[in-house]
Amino acid sequence: DGGITQSPKYLFRKEGQNVTLSCEQNLNHDAMYWYRQDPGQGLRLIYYSQIVNDFQKGDIAEGYSVSREKKESFPLTVTSAQKNPTAFYLCASTNPRAEPQHFGDGTRLSIL
Amino acid sequence: AQSVAQPEDQVNVAEGNPLTVKCTYSVSGNPYLFWYVQYPNRGLQFLLKYITGDNLVKGSYGFEAEFNKSQTSFHLKKPSALVSDSALYFCAVGGANNLFFGTGTRLTVIP
Repeated sequence: DGGITQSPKYLFRKEGQNVTLSCEQNLNHDAMYWYRQDPGQGLRLIYYSQIVNDFQKGDIAEGYSVSREKKESFPLTVTSAQKNPTAFYLCASTNPRAEPQHFGDGTRLSIL
Repeated sequence: AQSVAQPEDQVNVAEGNPLTVKCTYSVSGNPYLFWYVQYPNRGLQFLLKYITGDNLVKGSYGFEAEFNKSQTSFHLKKPSALVSDSALYFCAVGGANNLFFGTGTRLTVIP
């Protein structure tokens, strides 16, 4: 079955540490997205990429970085500069604008 | 700028009763509107979308939504609620490059 795979499901970060969240899709979608979900705030866009080797900042990009070296993969790095990283992170993908985004099952990041 | 509002954080309904989850939107131009559902510790699942055409859109699991341009609303409805419908529901509007999400409405169906 086609879909989006996020790993790991749970992740713990130590102070001063960078961590990387994986997102892989086999839907042949051009566009991929990273969202952060906090209770009561809905989803906020971190970064998105519409094509390989290109990506754009979303609303809350500070403290995060991404790469898009392959169409299937869009990893997110939470850097030590992100002072409040505890959240549920969701990856999504889609093709044309009017089509729905497909979501992975998320990674929950916590601070040790 | 695109935005959506979900005025109710929580909706409670008895099993078997009709349910409505409200959404209003603000867009420049024609809206692309979506409803998603989220179960605990899971990603969002697509329910239905409005792009153009009939104002009543039918989606997955018996859900439907009514697009009302004059009231800029896109309320989610179901004629008979199930306990298994209890979840977090998100309305979203399509922008040029991404979706703008509401803050979510938690639906609880009481047996």
